[in-house]
Amino acid sequence: QQQVKQSPQSLIVQKGGISIINCAYENTAFDYFPWYQQFPGKGPALLIAIRPDVSEKKEGRFTISFNKSAKQFSLHIMDSQPGDSATYFCAASRETSGSRLTFGEGTQLTVNP
Amino acid sequence: ETGVTQSPTHLIKTRGQQVTLRCSSQSGHNTVSWYQQALGQGPQFIFQYYREEENGRGNFPPRFSGLQFPNYSSELNVNALELDDSALYLCASRWDTRSYEQYFGPGTRLTVT
Repeated sequence: QQQVKQSPQSLIVQKGGISIINCAYENTAFDYFPWYQQFPGKGPALLIAIRPDVSEKKEGRFTISFNKSAKQFSLHIMDSQPGDSATYFCAASRETSGSRLTFGEGTQLTVNP
Repeated sequence: ETGVTQSPTHLIKTRGQQVTLRCSSQSGHNTVSWYQQALGQGPQFIFQYYREEENGRGNFPPRFSGLQFPNYSSELNVNALELDDSALYLCASRWDTRSYEQYFGPGTRLTVT
């Protein structure tokens, strides 16, 4: 059962553009929604995370938008740079399950110079 | 860098063999989780250890087992290897089961032939 669905599978943007990646979840018990960035040959690195009591969180060029009623959340990368080219994963967890992460399928982002 | 290390980096095994992968968590992190990441997919939760006891398991058979040691190191053991076990194996550590932020190591790439 895929509890977190991520789209698009791949994304190509120009330098300076906005990258948007979307995720939808099924389990309303989830209470923590992180985004991870993964470069080839590396482990996932925590980028930014949000709890469902807020609708938006911004850290530098990265923003999470959260819509609890729609059970959706998205990552916006402003002023995308070639160095942002990586695979991005959304995830969700809930405290009562020991905070095990359920990941989306991933989005391969390419930022062209 | 997350301070989480894994060894070895790469490993090639034959079907039916057994393998042990190792992880060293950040000092003070008493919770470690293991994930399996097949090529082109998001990580899948295998199990979690808290204070040297298994504290949650995903949908993986008993031939996947683990150990956690007092010095913040841990092991993932896989018996009777199958071809489908070929994947990147990631460990992630955090302060305790109540903390949400998980920090991943670089992973061990296992190839089963």
